[in-house]
Amino acid sequence: DTEVTQTPKHLVMGMTNKKSLKCEQHMGHRAMYWYKQKAKKPPELMFVYSYEKLSINESVPSRFSPECPNSSLLNLHLHALQPEDSALYLCASSRTSGAWNIQYFGAGTRLSVL
Amino acid sequence: TQLLEQSPQFLSIQEGENLTVYCNSSSVFSSLQWYRQEPGEGPVLLVTVVTGGEVKKLKRLTFQFGDARKDSSLHITAAQTGDTGLYLCAGGSQGGSEKLVFGKGTKLTVNP
Repeated sequence: DTEVTQTPKHLVMGMTNKKSLKCEQHMGHRAMYWYKQKAKKPPELMFVYSYEKLSINESVPSRFSPECPNSSLLNLHLHALQPEDSALYLCASSRTSGAWNIQYFGAGTRLSVL
Repeated sequence: TQLLEQSPQFLSIQEGENLTVYCNSSSVFSSLQWYRQEPGEGPVLLVTVVTGGEVKKLKRLTFQFGDARKDSSLHITAAQTGDTGLYLCAGGSQGGSEKLVFGKGTKLTVNP
């Protein structure tokens, strides 16, 4: 089983709303990732958690706040987003975060900011 | 900075034709993954290659990793409409970084 589950599938929010994206995996993976993807572009890395600790923040604006409550769960808290933040948000996981970095992706959350 | 140059960026072919997608770099990668992504969905892992010169086959898809582990190719034989999608190559850094280096993707359309 190589399943990464993301909820919700779709999300529409106003610029003053607070919402959260959720990601779950039960493969025993110890590295989890958040990516942002615009149409017809490759995914852009936002955050990496390794053994539940934030190891990479790709200079993401503070209106995006990641959280890793345990080794199976990853959240992305959203607050005061801008219309340009509308995108497909992807979660991924891998067994470790080292050289043999085979990442498995979830189906994504399609976010629209009005 | 490691880069993966993926080509072509767009490809539109008729069903039954063959095609090849390339990923090239001046950097050495520890592994190279190929993903296929459909609109509104997440990338689905097709294959991982880790050994220089390695060739892997997945039905009508053949993946090759260059001898020097700097380049890779994906060849599809007798393309079908179901092969339509965005194909992404992604390299694992030899230095053990947590980041994958993505190519820009190849948007493949197979017409009936």
